[in-house]
Amino acid sequence: DAGVIQSPRHEVTEMGQEVTLRCKPISGHDYLFWYRQTMMRGLELLIYFNNNVPIDDSGMPEDRFSAKMPNASFSTLKIQPSEPRDSAVYFCASTPSAGAEGYTFGSGTRLTVV
Amino acid sequence: GENVEQHPSTLSVQEGDSAVIKCTYSDSASNYFPWYKQELGKRPQLIIDIRSNVGEKKDQRIAVTLNKTAKHFSLHITETQPEDSAVYFCAASIRDDKIIFGKGTRLHILP
Repeated sequence: DAGVIQSPRHEVTEMGQEVTLRCKPISGHDYLFWYRQTMMRGLELLIYFNNNVPIDDSGMPEDRFSAKMPNASFSTLKIQPSEPRDSAVYFCASTPSAGAEGYTFGSGTRLTVV
Repeated sequence: GENVEQHPSTLSVQEGDSAVIKCTYSDSASNYFPWYKQELGKRPQLIIDIRSNVGEKKDQRIAVTLNKTAKHFSLHITETQPEDSAVYFCAASIRDDKIIFGKGTRLHILP
């Protein structure tokens, strides 16, 4: 298995532009999580899905952020419009359905908004 | 709200010495406690975990201890080596399907 795959690895965009981050979880993993990592706030859970259904989006910072999971093998995190304070590393992680087993993280997307 | 506190934020130890990182959690229902290691520019990777039905678990030079009464858990690394230098995150389960991370400890192994 190739693990959790995220794209792009790096994204530089101008303030106000739309940004879309992509994630492919490990096949057979029913849970998918989006995290944001910054020096100041550490690893923050933004939203997670179970069987493609959003379960908890309480960590999404504001309405500019949205996430979808149209099928078991693909999820997107969208920021529209982007702002400089959104600059961070965004990680996707997945885990099997057997409760809170260890997550497998993707390589992350380093987002820079200028 | 639910949170996980982690200390210290930075730790420097001489190569060969032991390192200890401590965490506390707030949700008494938490029953799963993983630890992750993140090297510079890399993804967090699970190194060891413990469930609430045991008090200690060991894997070679790494051990975790759990005190459910006090809601404390700790990571112990013995005979530290240069490759142990990284950021370490503790985490605790909230319900059965999500985990909350501590802020991380940057471990420096000094030659």
